[in-house]
Amino acid sequence: KQEVTQIPAALSVPEGENLVLNCSFTDSAIYNLQWFRQDPGKGLTSLLLIQSSQREQTSGRLNASLDKSSGRSTLYIAASQPGDSATYLCAFFSNDYKLSFGAGTTVTVRA
Amino acid sequence: NAGVTQTPKFQVLKTGQSMTLQCAQDMNHEYMSWYRQDPGMGLRLIHYSVGAGITDQGEVPNGYNVSRSTTEDFPLRLLSAAPSQTSVYFCASSYSWTSVLGGELFFGEGSRLTVL
Repeated sequence: KQEVTQIPAALSVPEGENLVLNCSFTDSAIYNLQWFRQDPGKGLTSLLLIQSSQREQTSGRLNASLDKSSGRSTLYIAASQPGDSATYLCAFFSNDYKLSFGAGTTVTVRA
Repeated sequence: NAGVTQTPKFQVLKTGQSMTLQCAQDMNHEYMSWYRQDPGMGLRLIHYSVGAGITDQGEVPNGYNVSRSTTEDFPLRLLSAAPSQTSVYFCASSYSWTSVLGGELFFGEGSRLTVL
């Protein structure tokens, strides 16, 4: 079974600082990975999807990378803003099409 | 479009009671699913459906029942609630399973259930 770990569980940074969120997985046989955002009391919203053949994906201030050999994915958020405060979850599709979620990193951006 | 609508948003049950969490979508999505989210753990799949009349078990199906009589609705039934089922439940849908693999998974806002 795919194990997905996100460290740290929580992160607090001043506005303007770049954010680096880490996600590690145990099974390198992944189909793709996805990063989600969850606001308090809300459902998940998809941010970025990286196919297993890709190494990174970018959307605005967000950049996600994938290194299958080391079992890691990283989400970078440039020039953080208070509106970026949320919980960020990574999820992997394994090659048997099972979707495994990490527990998330809760980010607080201080104004 | 209302998207994915879950009701109720909050519910308190006593051990042994039964209830149904409702999930409805108005996007003509074939794929629908139920997850539970517990503190310190990732979302875990309970049951899913790839179309009306078709359901299958996910990672943690015990104690839950589902049916899919229409494309729009996918209710989750707790047959005899237990304290271990205290959790936040999310319904998610997509146009098809292929769309899910393409990253298109739409979530409801969740139903918070407490079992005493």
